[in-house]
Amino acid sequence: GAVVSQHPSRVICKSGTSVKIECRSLDFQATTMFWYRQFPKQSLMLMATSNEGSKATYEQGVEKDKFLINHASLTLSTLTVTSAHPEDSSFYICSARAPKEANEQFFGPGTRLTVL
Amino acid sequence: GQNIDQPTEMTATEGAIVQINCTYQTSGFNGLFWYQQHAGEAPTFLSYNVLDGLEEKGRFSSFLSRSKGYSYLLLKELQMKDSASYLCAFMDSNYQLIWGAGTKLIIKP
Repeated sequence: GAVVSQHPSRVICKSGTSVKIECRSLDFQATTMFWYRQFPKQSLMLMATSNEGSKATYEQGVEKDKFLINHASLTLSTLTVTSAHPEDSSFYICSARAPKEANEQFFGPGTRLTVL
Repeated sequence: GQNIDQPTEMTATEGAIVQINCTYQTSGFNGLFWYQQHAGEAPTFLSYNVLDGLEEKGRFSSFLSRSKGYSYLLLKELQMKDSASYLCAFMDSNYQLIWGAGTKLIIKP
C-alpha cells in the first residue's frame, strides 16, 4: 500500500507557541489529505480536508485561524497549530487518498503534541 | 442523519474467535472499512466491504449487509498482539469517512 509520513512524531512546546506538523505522501500523489485529531480513548475526529491548490475545508467547530492548513503540493500538507494551549494537546493524524484507490485512506504514523 | 455504533470494549481468550459488530445509518454509502489501532499509533487498514457478503483475509474476515446497515469483523485464532482498538467507518456520499468510537479488544491468555 501507499506510504504516508508525518513529522515530527512527538513535540512538546510551551503554551502560546506555534507548532507545524508535516504530512507527506511518499510514493504517490495525494490530491486530498485529511487531518484528524484523537483525544485519549476517543475515536478519530476529522478536523479538515485539505485539497491541493485550494483552501482547506474545516469541520464544524474547528477554528481555521487556529489550525492553519497548507496543501502546497501533491505530496505535502502542513498543519500549523497557532498559539497552542494545553487543551490542544492531542494525537494529530493525517491521511491521504491515492487517486487510483479513491475509497481508501492511508494514514501517517501520527504526531503526539503536548503543550505545557 | 448519519450515525455509527460499535461496542466500547470486548474481552476474548487467546486462540479463540471474536466477532466485533458495527451498525450504521446513512443515506449515502460508499463502503465500510475496518481499521486496527494500537495504543499510541495511527490506524492501519484491515478491510473494505462495498458489496454484501463476507471478505476473508487470513485470520480476519469482514461481513457487510447494506440492507441492515450492519457489518462485523471476525478475528480467528486470536493472538496477544491482536489486543488493540478496532475502528469501523463508513464512507458517505461525499467520500468522507464517518468513524465509530472504536472497540477496545482485550485478549487474555
